Amino acid sequence: AQSVTQLDSQVPVFEEAPVELRCNYSSSVSVYLFWYVQYPNQGLQLLLKYLSGSTLVKGINGFEAEFNKSQTSFHLRKPSVHISDTAEYFCAVNYPSNDYKLSFGAGTTVTVRA
Amino acid sequence: ETGVTQSPTHLIKTRGQQVTLRCSSQSGHNTVSWYQQALGQGPQFIFQYYREEENGRGNFPPRFSGLQFPNYSSELNVNALELDDSALYLCASSAGVESRGNYGYTFGSGTRLTVV
Repeated sequence: AQSVTQLDSQVPVFEEAPVELRCNYSSSVSVYLFWYVQYPNQGLQLLLKYLSGSTLVKGINGFEAEFNKSQTSFHLRKPSVHISDTAEYFCAVNYPSNDYKLSFGAGTTVTVRA
Repeated sequence: ETGVTQSPTHLIKTRGQQVTLRCSSQSGHNTVSWYQQALGQGPQFIFQYYREEENGRGNFPPRFSGLQFPNYSSELNVNALELDDSALYLCASSAGVESRGNYGYTFGSGTRLTVV
């Protein structure tokens, strides 16, 4: 069965500290991978995506993610967070067998404290 | 370049009623998808329209239906509303089925539906 697992439901972090959000997916074939951010009462904004090529992907707002095919993971990182990074983060996968939809994880709530 | 706009932003309906949600796609996008996001969960795929035809559907009952118009705007209709239909409904557009991954999806801000 296809699934996307975000290993942490909540991540509290202090301002200027690094953060890593973990995402694993189930697939034996190539997939497209995405990270989205959702601020309170808003829709989803694309942070970054992996389609092919370099396994280290850089996105907006200083975020980056690393694709690891052997571990079927796509973890999101930021070396130094700001208060404004407080939001919900979603990992999403586009599976070739369901090529018309995104499958989302349950989300990780990041709370940045001063 | 305009993004994806959804209307209304909020609405409250009574169980058993019908509701129509609207979405205007980003300029140049001909594919639109609808997602349901229940409180505290990730979005769940409802269906997708490409060039005015449904070309994919998630695990939702037939009372969830949609339309896509020649200008690529879209509607989501839900009949016989149930309490569990309360959620944020997100519309996403993309440049085409064949580019679903390459170009990514642009999401609107959503419609918050409350069924009482």
